[in-house]
Formats: sequence, C-alpha cells, structure tokens
Amino acid sequence: AQSVTQLDSQVPVFEEAPVELRCNYSSSVSVYLFWYVQYPNQGLQLLLKYLSGSTLVKGINGFEAEFNKSQTSFHLRKPSVHISDTAEYFCAVSVKTGTALIFGKGTTLSVSS
Amino acid sequence: NAGVTQTPKFRILKIGQSMTLQCTQDMNHNYMYWYRQDPGMGLKLIYYSVGAGITDKGEVPNGYNVSRSTTEDFPLRLELAAPSQTSVYFCASRQMGGSGGELFFGEGSRLTVL
Repeated sequence: AQSVTQLDSQVPVFEEAPVELRCNYSSSVSVYLFWYVQYPNQGLQLLLKYLSGSTLVKGINGFEAEFNKSQTSFHLRKPSVHISDTAEYFCAVSVKTGTALIFGKGTTLSVSS
Repeated sequence: NAGVTQTPKFRILKIGQSMTLQCTQDMNHNYMYWYRQDPGMGLKLIYYSVGAGITDKGEVPNGYNVSRSTTEDFPLRLELAAPSQTSVYFCASRQMGGSGGELFFGEGSRLTVL
C-alpha cells in the first residue's frame, strides 16, 4: 500500500524568506506525485504534479518541487514567500494503475511580516 | 464553469438523524470521490466512483452510502449520524484516463453532529 508522510505539521516563516515543505512517500510500484494547496474555508487546488520526465517540476504561484526517487521524496520549495501563501499544503500520491489519491496529513504554512 | 458544486455548505445534525450531501459536477468527468477532512489528519477517502452505476469503498466507508445514477451527480448518504462523523466533506472529480489527472474539488460541506 502507498503512504505519504509530511514531515512538518506547521512551518512559520517571515515574508520574503525561502521555504521548503517536506514530503516522503512509500510505494512498491511507480507513482504519480502531487502538491495541493487549501486556502481557508476553500477546497483544494492543484499546485503542481510529477508524472514523468524532468524531476524538477514548476507549479503555480512560484512554487516548485523536486522528485527524488532514491530518497522517495517530493519536497516543495519557494525562494521567497508572500503573506498570501499562508495556507495548508497537502502532498499526495497515486499509483499509476490506481484510481484514487492518498493524501498526507498536511503542512500549515504561516507567513508573517 | 461551475466545476464541482456541493450542498449544503453547513449542517448541524442530531445523533441518529440521516442526511444526504449533494455533489454535482459539470465537467463530464467519469471519476468522482468523497473525502472527509479532520484537523491534523489530512483527507481520507470515503467512497469513489469510476462511472455511472459503479461505486467502491475507500479507506473509511463505515456509516456512509453512495450512489451514482448519472455522470454528473454523486450524493453521499449518512445514516444514523454519530459524533464521529463531524467533519468537513469534500467531493472531487477528474477525467478518466490514468491516475495522473488533476482532481477538481468542491468547496466542502461542514457537518456537525451533536
């Protein structure tokens, strides 16, 4: 079975600082990897995804993530955060032959001035 | 486009009552899902459907039922509500054709069982 571990439940940072949200996954078969963002009182929306090809994936709002197969990781990064990036971020995995996404428990990113 | 629409947005139930959470999508997606979100626990899959007339259990199906009579609609039924079902429920959909497709989420239905 697949699983996703988000290593930090909360990440506080100051505006314009860099941030990394960590995600590790476990699977015995090939997977697709995703990052979703949830703003307060809203549903989730896709930030970026890795399906194949280049291991560095760029998403919306200046976020990027790097797929590392040997370390089974898919960490999310942004070089300079804004107050508006304050939200909950979810890492998710799906098996290539499967039908549903398995989500991590989420990381709350709090950006202050 | 409306995307995925969920109703109601908020509901308070008494223990033992029943209700249906409605979910409709207008993107002609074959795959639809119900997740529940609890603080610090992420999203847990309740049920999913790969097309009209086909449904299957997810990780936490107990206490819930679903049906899929049309491509557009995927209602979630709660029978005999319990406090453990207090949660935020999200409906989502995606296109057919591989599990790499983006999930589109509704805005959620917040349910409290007292």
